[in-house]
Amino acid sequence: AAGVIQSPRHLIKEKRETATLKCYPIPRHDTVYWYQQGPGQDPQFLISFYEKMQSDKGSIPDRFSAQQFSDYHSELNMSSLELGDSALYFCASSRGQGVNEQYFGPGTRLTVT
Amino acid sequence: KQEVTQIPAALSVPEGENLVLNCSFTDSAIYNLQWFRQDPGKGLTSLLLIQSSQREQTSGRLNASLDKSSGRSTLYIAASQPGDSATYLCAVRFSNDYKLSFGAGTTVTVRA
Repeated sequence: AAGVIQSPRHLIKEKRETATLKCYPIPRHDTVYWYQQGPGQDPQFLISFYEKMQSDKGSIPDRFSAQQFSDYHSELNMSSLELGDSALYFCASSRGQGVNEQYFGPGTRLTVT
Repeated sequence: KQEVTQIPAALSVPEGENLVLNCSFTDSAIYNLQWFRQDPGKGLTSLLLIQSSQREQTSGRLNASLDKSSGRSTLYIAASQPGDSATYLCAVRFSNDYKLSFGAGTTVTVRA
């Protein structure tokens, strides 16, 4: 079965640079969620989209922005990167926003040097 | 504030022993609860999903129970194996929310 695809899997950037993370949900899933997991921490919700509209927003810095495109893939844009942005970034998808299970991608490991 | 707590933070058992992992949450109004496994530096593997109307779910050696009224879920892993060593995360979808709220996890070590 198709799973959530994230690219790239690893990314190394320098401080103040920009990074773009991509997420391709499972076919026919219309909802995408982004989570950030810092070293030794539990995943924290950043932002979600349903039918290409932002549906919820968590502790996402103003330096970050995201969108969901017409083909339902999503991109997380991160600017003015800081050392503290180094983390594992997960994308999850679901069909609808209700009780359906969220399926997680393998994550993108971002290292800011 | 809606919170998810997992105690203990770490657990070490000999091979063959049954594992009991606890998760508690502050609000009984939930959509569902998921248990995940995470190996060091790796992604999240979904183990079990329990909907709010269910009392338990089973998959192989894994069994998860849900008691909404007391705000608790328990993950049982029977006859533990060294390959079960990982961090186990509990995540709750509260009814007024779409996101998952995660606990800090329980890191399990199964000694051969």
